[in-house]
Amino acid sequence: GAVVSQHPSRVICKSGTSVKIECRSLDFQATTMFWYRQFPKQSLMLMATSNEGSKATYEQGVEKDKFLINHASLTLSTLTVTSAHPEDSSFYICSARVQLAGVDTQYFGPGTRLTVL
Amino acid sequence: GQNIDQPTEMTATEGAIVQINCTYQTSGFNGLFWYQQHAGEAPTFLSYNVLDGLEEKGRFSSFLSRSKGYSYLLLKELQMKDSASYLCAVRDNTNAGKSTFGDGTTLTVKP
Repeated sequence: GAVVSQHPSRVICKSGTSVKIECRSLDFQATTMFWYRQFPKQSLMLMATSNEGSKATYEQGVEKDKFLINHASLTLSTLTVTSAHPEDSSFYICSARVQLAGVDTQYFGPGTRLTVL
Repeated sequence: GQNIDQPTEMTATEGAIVQINCTYQTSGFNGLFWYQQHAGEAPTFLSYNVLDGLEEKGRFSSFLSRSKGYSYLLLKELQMKDSASYLCAVRDNTNAGKSTFGDGTTLTVKP
């Protein structure tokens, strides 16, 4: 099956610093990747859709200058949380859109738990 | 936009059958997914329905009625490891193919 990796799995940083999270498709090419944020005991909230070679499409209410997305290749998308603050502490999950056995679905990375002190 | 409703919590007994319902209102429908998510982990794909009817996959089955905006996930022969959150997600019919997730149903399987 399709494998998506994320790095790092956990990160703790000081308020005001920037954090980069990588999302890789390991055995397939992903034209489209999605970035989600999940707060404890809540569902996944889509932040943005990342398309290879073009600008990301952000959901309403998500600041594009704060959450920088770069999808420079067919196997890598990055999310940079700039000037992180404690309220940005969350579980960030990426997924890659993939066609598998005739189903247009998405496979998720293992997630990155960000804690901002 | 999408609006998705599913029960917050359910409890069932090991070996039993449980049905998790999901209702949705959508401006454009292009498929419904069920995912399983264990605490602290990312979701894993369980099933996909785009046409009305029942899709069976081992112990898990998923049903869709597009006219009623309704789906259910049926879990048979429950095992303790099935304790998890089950997310219903509806995909819209734009080219982006993005999905909106329900808040999830936390299933607890008891011995």
